[in-house]
Amino acid sequence: KNEVEQSPQNLTAQEGEFITINCSYSVGISALHWLQQHPGGGIVSLFMLSSGKKKHGRLIATINIQEKHSSLHITASHPRDSAVYICAPGGDNTDKLIFGTGTRLQVFP
Amino acid sequence: DTGVSQNPRHKITKRGQNVTFRCDPISEHNRLYWYRQTLGQGPEFLTYFQNEAQLEKSRLLSDRFSAERPKGSFSTLEIQRTEQGDSAMYLCASSLDWGEKLFFGSGTQLSVL
Repeated sequence: KNEVEQSPQNLTAQEGEFITINCSYSVGISALHWLQQHPGGGIVSLFMLSSGKKKHGRLIATINIQEKHSSLHITASHPRDSAVYICAPGGDNTDKLIFGTGTRLQVFP
Repeated sequence: DTGVSQNPRHKITKRGQNVTFRCDPISEHNRLYWYRQTLGQGPEFLTYFQNEAQLEKSRLLSDRFSAERPKGSFSTLEIQRTEQGDSAMYLCASSLDWGEKLFFGSGTQLSVL
C-alpha cells in the first residue's frame, strides 16, 4: 500500500463546478503540503497545513490529523485551474516530503 | 527575489558520462531540497540541506550521486557514470526554515541515451 494515496487520479469538470480532491496517508506527519504542477511547468506550493482549514481565494484545504486525511477544494472552477494537484505529507521526525502521484484536473469551458 | 533557479534546464548525455546540476535557492533560505520526478509520478525525495549541512539522504541516492552545498548558498547535484534509469526531471526547492512554505525551481530534465 502506498504511503500517500490521492483520489481521484483524473478529474474532468465543467467550468464553475465545485472540485474536491482527496488525500489519505499512512505516515505520521508534522504538516501536509498541497502543490500544483502545470504541464511542462514548475511546481507551486498552494498550502501547508498541520490542522484545521486554510483558504486562499477559490481554494480551500482541510486536514484531519486523527483520520490521516486531507482535502483540497476548488470553488467555481476555471479552465486555468487545469493542472496536476499533488498532496505531500511531511514526515513526523524528518523534513522530507512524501509525494502522492497527483490528481490530474481538466476544467473545460 | 528571483525565485529558485536551476541550470541547465535540459541535459542530454550518453550513458557512462558524469553530469552536474546547479540550484540557486532564494537568498536567505536555509533549507534546500533535491527531488527527482519521472513521467506520471510524483516527485521523490533525494536529499536536503540545512545551510551547508546535508541532513538526510534517500536510499534512492546511490553511490553515484553526490550533492553539496559548500557555502550554504547554491547547491550542486552530481551523477557519475550515468545510466538510462537516471533519466528524469531533477527538482530543487528551498524554504526559509523547517515547516515553512516550499519554493520550487523549474527543474533540470536529464535524458541519458
